Amino acid sequence: GQQVMQIPQYQHVQEGEDFTTYCNSSTTLSNIQWYKQRPGGHPVFLIQLVKSGEVKKQKRLTFQFGEAKKNSSLHITATQTTDVGTYFCAGRYGNEKLTFGTGTRLTIIP
Amino acid sequence: DSGVTQTPKHLITATGQRVTLRCSPRSGDLSVYWYQQSLDQGLQFLIQYYNGEERAKGNILERFSAQQFPDLHSELNLSSLELGDSALYFCASSVDGIHNSPLHFGNGTRLTVT
Repeated sequence: GQQVMQIPQYQHVQEGEDFTTYCNSSTTLSNIQWYKQRPGGHPVFLIQLVKSGEVKKQKRLTFQFGEAKKNSSLHITATQTTDVGTYFCAGRYGNEKLTFGTGTRLTIIP
Repeated sequence: DSGVTQTPKHLITATGQRVTLRCSPRSGDLSVYWYQQSLDQGLQFLIQYYNGEERAKGNILERFSAQQFPDLHSELNLSSLELGDSALYFCASSVDGIHNSPLHFGNGTRLTVT
């Protein structure tokens, strides 16, 4: 079946450094969603991107959808301890179900 | 609080047994999804229901079954349990079943099979 590859699997950063996670698909996505799961918690919806080349911002978080709609990224500027967690992308192919990426676990070194 | 309620929070049972996990979606949501998350793993889609009907099926084992009732709550039944079934099981709901709506996840049921 279709797969959404997400890298890196783990990322350790010093507090205040930037962080980026990437999602890639071999085929075109109809849209992509991003979720955050805090340690011991459940995934929480962050944002959905639909249009080619779309860029959306939420405070220190910037989400991008590639021009070919095959890749996406989440960039966090000046990380804080509250950013700790696993970030999942979830892509949709046509009208099919969401396919979650493997996630990127972010840890912050104070 | 996502508005999605899952019970029980924890479940410990022995191999070969059968358990039922329960999920109540957010008020107004018609679609329910079940996901399995093993330790340090991603989210594996099991099955989706929309307004009582099965809408999509993922990597759900034949030993597992689910249903959505008229009041829209859903149950996931796991039988002939194996050690490898130990995982966190999430239920999520969305307002519709056309796959463009955000998913709202419950707190999950942690299943331990001994």
